[in-house]
Amino acid sequence: EAEVAQSPRYKITEKSQAVAFWCDPISGHATLYWYRQILGQGPELLVQFQDESVVDDSQLPKDRFSAERLKGVDSTLKIQPAELGDSAMYLCASSLTGTGYGYTFGSGTRLTVV
Amino acid sequence: GEDVEQSLFLSVREGDSSVINCTYTDSSSTYLYWYKQEPGAGLQLLTYIFSNMDMKQDQRLTVLLNKKDKHLSLRIADTQTGDSAIYFCAEIGDTGRRALTFGSGTRLQVQP
Repeated sequence: EAEVAQSPRYKITEKSQAVAFWCDPISGHATLYWYRQILGQGPELLVQFQDESVVDDSQLPKDRFSAERLKGVDSTLKIQPAELGDSAMYLCASSLTGTGYGYTFGSGTRLTVV
Repeated sequence: GEDVEQSLFLSVREGDSSVINCTYTDSSSTYLYWYKQEPGAGLQLLTYIFSNMDMKQDQRLTVLLNKKDKHLSLRIADTQTGDSAIYFCAEIGDTGRRALTFGSGTRLQVQP
């Protein structure tokens, strides 16, 4: 069964350092999403891509977060500088149609900022 | 904006039925979903319902939708200890933003 791949699985970083997460969606899925899930809460959308274009980054803290999907396939989410409040699970998902049907989530990257 | 709300915790005995409830505010919701998340894991899609349906059954799972009241429920029949997890309600609307909006999750604890 096709999966959304994410790496690393776990990341511990010091405050003010830079950190990056990688996501490889299911082949052929044009829509890619990055969600942040703080412990005890539901996932919240950070950014949505359609192919290589950003269609929604209204909730992305752009002073420190950036996301790219240069060739419309895999994607990188970066935080610089990391803050203690960024500790969370970062989930990537992809979808064929962008309607929500057929969303597939990766296993996530657990970030701890110390 | 869109808002999805769920109760935080539900405890049931093994073999009983579980009912997890969700309310949402987006009247343009077209698809509503239930996801399961086990500790440290990603999200697993359990089932979904289109907004023009009021019920969907899938093995032990029954989804009921009251569109007038914007209320969604998930019933798990014969609940097992392996059903212990966090269950998220999510919706997507027919607006320009085509991303899922999630509730805060309901932790289901199944006691043997």
